[in-house]
Amino acid sequence: GAVVSQHPSWVICKSGTSVKIECRSLDFQATTMFWYRQFPKQSLMLMATSNEGSKATYEQGVEKDKFLINHASLTLSTLTVTSAHPEDSSFYICSPNPGNEQYFGPGTRLTVT
Amino acid sequence: AQSVAQPEDQVNVAEGNPLTVKCTYSVSGNPYLFWYVQYPNRGLQFLLKYITGDNLVKGSYGFEAEFNKSQTSFHLKKPSALVSDSALYFCAVREGSNSGYALNFGKGTSLLVTP
Repeated sequence: GAVVSQHPSWVICKSGTSVKIECRSLDFQATTMFWYRQFPKQSLMLMATSNEGSKATYEQGVEKDKFLINHASLTLSTLTVTSAHPEDSSFYICSPNPGNEQYFGPGTRLTVT
Repeated sequence: AQSVAQPEDQVNVAEGNPLTVKCTYSVSGNPYLFWYVQYPNRGLQFLLKYITGDNLVKGSYGFEAEFNKSQTSFHLKKPSALVSDSALYFCAVREGSNSGYALNFGKGTSLLVTP
């Protein structure tokens, strides 16, 4: 149980374009969703927290207008990187949380050229 | 505020030898502690967690960790390392049982097991 999928697993895009990353919990429902990003050889840093049906709460230094989070259902959340820049290149990991457990998606590698 | 520290960037150990990856934590309340492993370009794999109860926690792939409240530590251990254990290991803490709080991760420790 506790299967989490992310799509795409990797994406290359040009500067200025937008990229949408989907995170799905396949066999459970989660009210709360965390989005993390991980730069090469660094730890996971929390970007934002969202609850189904509510606006996301962003961590300090994370631009809410650049990283759009939609948590429309208990099994699907999306992260859209708008007007992507090379410095947005990173590994993005979602973490849906149904209760006391902590699950993680397999991650999406974003490369902005 | 909560935080974890992993003092070693890299740990090297020979196959068959015991391994230890260190982690210390800081929380104002009761800690909920986790260990995850990450292989290159992959997501996190859960190894074990401490919530309450026995200080020695046994997890996946033969790993275990000991919760030491007086030293605020939660070191990861394995009696006999395998080459396939080579990966990046993260310690994480969450303050309290409420999963509405995200995990706070350490910087990670790269484990290299040599044949």
